[in-house]
Amino acid sequence: SYELTQAPSVSVSPGQTASITCFGDKLGNKYVSWYQQKPGQSPVLVIYQHSRRPSGIPERISGSSSGNTATLTIRGTQTMDEADYFCLAWDNDTAIFGGGTKLTVL
Amino acid sequence: QVQLVQSGAEVKKPGASVKLSCKASGYNFDNYYVHWVRQAPGQGLEWMGMINPSGGETRYTQKLQGRVTMTRDTSTTTVYMELSSLTSEDTAVYFCARARHGFDPWGQGTLVSVSS
Repeated sequence: SYELTQAPSVSVSPGQTASITCFGDKLGNKYVSWYQQKPGQSPVLVIYQHSRRPSGIPERISGSSSGNTATLTIRGTQTMDEADYFCLAWDNDTAIFGGGTKLTVL
Repeated sequence: QVQLVQSGAEVKKPGASVKLSCKASGYNFDNYYVHWVRQAPGQGLEWMGMINPSGGETRYTQKLQGRVTMTRDTSTTTVYMELSSLTSEDTAVYFCARARHGFDPWGQGTLVSVSS
């Protein structure tokens, strides 16, 4: 079965750039979306179709994808960005989530 | 505004069934699939399946085939998810989400606790 792999945690200093990656076979050929989830809250869509931002998501959040890797990039990271981030892709009409990456801003 | 409002928390015994609701508002109910995703305590997200509110077609993850049923009531713009033969491993927060470009928005979640 198809799998998406994410590092469990990433740390970044305030104001720096955070990169969160998602690995999967031929992932660049599939539409990838990214979700931010803060403790006790529902997930929020932050990137869809690899790199598109929903309304209300700041421009400092961006996405890219190539080969077997999709990357969520947060520039000028703020404490409000501290959260879990999940990637999602579709394989054979089944939605697959990555295991999630906890972003710590310190 | 587009909103999905879910039913309240449930406590069930092993072997029982649970039926959760997800009421949609603020958009044309027929036009967007609704998905169910669950999250066990301290764990990641797991996709359960989806339903087309227009025609009622469903697709479920293979893992839950035979135990999960998704239905909808177009008159009340509500989607339902029923899970049977519950075990402790089904203890989780269950979310519904509208599928547009990605899953957006999500409901507030419903905690289902399975314990003897």
